[in-house]
Amino acid sequence: ETGVTQTPRHLVMGMTNKKSLKCEQHLGHNAMYWYKQSAKKPLELMFVYSLEERVENNSVPSRFSPECPNSSHLFLHLHTLQPEDSALYLCASSQEQRGGYNEQFFGPGTRLTVL
Amino acid sequence: SQQGEEDPQALSIQEGENATMNCSYKTSINNLQWYRQNSGRGLVHLILIRSNEREKHSGRLRVTLDTSKKSSSLLITASRAADTASYFCATDEEYSSASKIIFGSGTRLSIRP
Repeated sequence: ETGVTQTPRHLVMGMTNKKSLKCEQHLGHNAMYWYKQSAKKPLELMFVYSLEERVENNSVPSRFSPECPNSSHLFLHLHTLQPEDSALYLCASSQEQRGGYNEQFFGPGTRLTVL
Repeated sequence: SQQGEEDPQALSIQEGENATMNCSYKTSINNLQWYRQNSGRGLVHLILIRSNEREKHSGRLRVTLDTSKKSSSLLITASRAADTASYFCATDEEYSSASKIIFGSGTRLSIRP
């Protein structure tokens, strides 16, 4: 148990559906992340909320929309996804220290399948 | 191109043997981390080595860092079946935001009983 929870653990959705992934961290951290992990590819950093700033990966399509209402909760809103978006979506948190190191604590992931 | 690349991509050894995985990276770093991932689960942090350190130990894990060659190795001694997992190195670039670390593609380790 890493102190980071994700729901749901598994999600199957059609291309026209709208769904949201939820992440919650119980560690008092000040940074949260969404990663996408596809088969045989490196982890892809999608979004970072760090010290109340949002940092985006410009290659992430607009059909993925993050929301971070507070430092403990992070959402990823999904709409009109494509089958190639099927992947394991991992949430992580860390205590960011400027000039320091950044150990990340990961949730168990949401396995997303887009039909 | 990605910052960290692990070698080999897959490794299968007998239980009790030592497993060595390597990671190469391209730019100057502040530190390098190793993570482990069981199939379909989240990553778990194993060990961090700072750029001014050359070797670090944690239980059966030994990590080395050679900044002149921009490479690191992870050694797992006396492997056990439970060590079967994927192992990733992760680097953060020197002078970059502390929030950005980059993961490699990983080494998939299988321990045969």
